[in-house]
Amino acid sequence: QVQLVQSGAEVKKPGASVKISCKASGYTFTSYNLHWVRQAPGQRLEWMAWINAGNGKTKYSQKLQGRLTITRDTSASIAYMELSSLSSEDTAVYYCALRAAVAAFDPWGQGTLVTVSS
Amino acid sequence: QSALTQPASVSGSPGQSITISCTGTSSDVGGYNYVSWYQQHSGKAPKVMIYEVSNRPSEISNRFSGSKSGNTASLTISGLQAEDEADYYCSSYTSSSTWVFGGGTKVTVL
Repeated sequence: QVQLVQSGAEVKKPGASVKISCKASGYTFTSYNLHWVRQAPGQRLEWMAWINAGNGKTKYSQKLQGRLTITRDTSASIAYMELSSLSSEDTAVYYCALRAAVAAFDPWGQGTLVTVSS
Repeated sequence: QSALTQPASVSGSPGQSITISCTGTSSDVGGYNYVSWYQQHSGKAPKVMIYEVSNRPSEISNRFSGSKSGNTASLTISGLQAEDEADYYCSSYTSSSTWVFGGGTKVTVL
């Protein structure tokens, strides 16, 4: 079955960068877009970006443009999300999610908690 | 891109029907039939309940239905059950080729 498995929790200091991975299985990795969504504690879901896993084209939210980089390794079926210049406001659970044949995010990865603290 | 507008909370008794609204603009909800709804239980990843306004994944109960009128989409849960108590989020594609989520609605089963 289609599955997205993310890397483990991270603790970072303000100003640092974090890179999270999302390994896909159960489908042809290059056929669909992968999205990144985050959720700060007790807050709403916030869409961050998508990557076309086939050609590598990306689209970022205006809010995070300049600090966010999404890449992929097609040989390993892994997508990466790197966020730089971290602040406490970036403390959140980060999810990858697949947008396949229909216009919906399904499935989602299990989430990766990123804690930014001095 | 501003978040789509949802009521903060909706409640109902078991067996009743409730409706959650999701209001956007002509640049998102009103402009595309790409509205989806997600259920999120505490500490869990979101799960799609409705996609493309009114389509339901095969594994989702037919108690869940979706619709749209103008810039407002709606999710209706009929025959409310205790297991439906969760947070619900709407999402839409936008004219900027991005996506946006709603503020979320907490559903309480009385």
